[in-house]
Amino acid sequence: AQRVTQPEKLLSVFKGAPVELKCNYSYSGSPELFWYVQYSRQRLQLLLRHISRESIKGFTADLNKGETSFHLKKPFAQEEDSAMYYCALSTDSNYQLIWGAGTKLIIKP
Amino acid sequence: GAVVSQHPSRVICKSGTSVKIECRSLDFQATTMFWYRQFPKQSLMLMATSNEGSKATYEQGVEKDKFLINHASLTLSTLTVTSAHPEDSSFYICSARGSDNQETQYFGPGTRLLVL
Repeated sequence: AQRVTQPEKLLSVFKGAPVELKCNYSYSGSPELFWYVQYSRQRLQLLLRHISRESIKGFTADLNKGETSFHLKKPFAQEEDSAMYYCALSTDSNYQLIWGAGTKLIIKP
Repeated sequence: GAVVSQHPSRVICKSGTSVKIECRSLDFQATTMFWYRQFPKQSLMLMATSNEGSKATYEQGVEKDKFLINHASLTLSTLTVTSAHPEDSSFYICSARGSDNQETQYFGPGTRLLVL
């Protein structure tokens, strides 16, 4: 079955500390993986996608097919990173997304 | 970047009435639009996928006669909640996918529906 798992509902770290939001997926084919972010009172927006291998706002994510993971990382968290983060998997020709449950990231001052 | 708008942003209606929510892609042509429902503290739940000019594909458990979706043009899709009940109160979000960047979905700001 196709599934995206974000094991942490809530992650709280201090400003300046490293951040890792975990995402594991289950899919037998070749996955396309995304991280979306929703800041308070703002719309959901794309943060990064694995295929572009970009670093957005200091965040990176590497697709590890062996571990079926796509963890989101940032070496030094900033207060403005506080938001809801969703990991998503795209599988079929219609590009529907399968969503993780989301992780609320709180950056403490 | 691509912009998607939704209207209205918030609506309150009486039980039994119908509510229409519009989703527009402002600066690109959306070949596919998705409608989601988001419950408090939960992830997005895909309700249906609509391709321009064809009938929407509904997810299992979503009543197509209750949630009418129309995608008549490349820039507009509408979701009509018919005979709304209090349990339909939720946050409805649309997203759109353009023909040039098929992988990425661009999200609308959402519509908060409250059925009294």
